[in-house]
Amino acid sequence: DAKTTQPPSMDCAEGRAANLPCNHSTISGNEYVYWYRQIHSQGPQYIIHGLKNNETNEMASLIITEDRKSSTLILPHATLRDTAVYYCIVRVRRSSARQLTFGSGTQLTVLP
Amino acid sequence: EAQVTQNPRYLITVTGKKLTVTCSQNMNHEYMSWYRQDPGLGLRQIYYSMNVEVTDKGDVPEGYKVSRKEKRNFPLILESPSPNQTSLYFCASSLAGGSTGELFFGEGSRLTVL
Repeated sequence: DAKTTQPPSMDCAEGRAANLPCNHSTISGNEYVYWYRQIHSQGPQYIIHGLKNNETNEMASLIITEDRKSSTLILPHATLRDTAVYYCIVRVRRSSARQLTFGSGTQLTVLP
Repeated sequence: EAQVTQNPRYLITVTGKKLTVTCSQNMNHEYMSWYRQDPGLGLRQIYYSMNVEVTDKGDVPEGYKVSRKEKRNFPLILESPSPNQTSLYFCASSLAGGSTGELFFGEGSRLTVL
């Protein structure tokens, strides 16, 4: 699975959009980008995933650059409850059962 | 409600006293896995199971055992716990191994071995 690079921490004002970047310059053509988050010591929670098109669901939007070497997770109206560590992961969707490798992630702090 | 349930949530034990952390899912998922999380080391996979009676080692299997006799249950067994197994443990499941990538996690079990 390709390696990802994320900033260790970010702040965002409550009610504003939170834009979390992720670099994955070695991503392969069949690797998807997944985002998870972990609210303090709780189990990680799936957010969204995509291959090359932008994706949106009820939690967030995922913007993937045309060359697929980077992506941005957007939380459109951040709330205090969105304070968490956000993990960007790339992997082949139908790969081995080793599943996802979680890196260090980005600690997002939403400020009142 | 779809969920992954772990028990106990918190446990303090002593070195060498066998313990089992249970994990159960109600989503009919084929794939289940155990992770441990330690400060600075992130989430590391201990064991996983692709289906009933099929288990395999993850990245840090030493000192742990698992079994998958039923689809819904995947207990983690520490035969002789040691202090370096003090950690936060998560069980996870998904519909099929690798097919969706969407893992559902339990709420975690915080284990302290004295």
